[in-house]
Amino acid sequence: QTVVTQEPSFSVSPGGTVTLTCGLSSGSVFTSYYPSWFQQTPGQAPRTLIYSTNTRSSGVPDRFSGSILGNKAALTITGAQADDESDYYCALYMGGGISWVFGGGTKLTVL
Amino acid sequence: QVQLVQSGPEVKKPGASVKVSCKASGYTFSTYGTNWVRQAPGQGLEWMGWISAHNGNTKYPQKLQGRVTVTTDTSTSTAYMELRSLTSDDTAVYYCVREDPRVGPNLGDYWGQGTLVTVSS
Repeated sequence: QTVVTQEPSFSVSPGGTVTLTCGLSSGSVFTSYYPSWFQQTPGQAPRTLIYSTNTRSSGVPDRFSGSILGNKAALTITGAQADDESDYYCALYMGGGISWVFGGGTKLTVL
Repeated sequence: QVQLVQSGPEVKKPGASVKVSCKASGYTFSTYGTNWVRQAPGQGLEWMGWISAHNGNTKYPQKLQGRVTVTTDTSTSTAYMELRSLTSDDTAVYYCVREDPRVGPNLGDYWGQGTLVTVSS
């Protein structure tokens, strides 16, 4: 069974830079998995930040960026702001009938 | 502007079915696909299915095969997700998401506001 892994929690200081990762329990993440990233605050619908590894969704500020780092997909937030405090989910495209698998999410604290 | 407006909350008994709607506006509905994603209380996100706007093709996760059906009505720009044989594990917020077929596989860019489905006896 495919398991997508994310750090359960992370913290960053205001103005700082943080990189969240998205990996596979077995194997490496490549661009062919079309990694996507989503931000969710409590009680709200998720918001799409990044798709296809590094393409920002409409209206997303450029301090959010996506990449492949080593064998994982990565979401980097530069100049962290208080309202970046959210849950962040990645999703990988597995193709075939499985299609999309989400990671368990990372709770980001800005303090 | 693009909007996806979902139907209201539902309370169902175990074994029943639920059908959630997602009415789209602000774009040409027939040129975009729709994904469905759910989130159980306090849990993460789970992909539930996809339908192509182009030809009506669908995909579902193996876990839900046979219990879930996604459809569209292009005359009303509405997507539907029906889930059958409900159990308490299906209690969740259900989201529709607009998929852009022009950019390769993607879950989508615009999300509906979510529909809470509660399964309880």
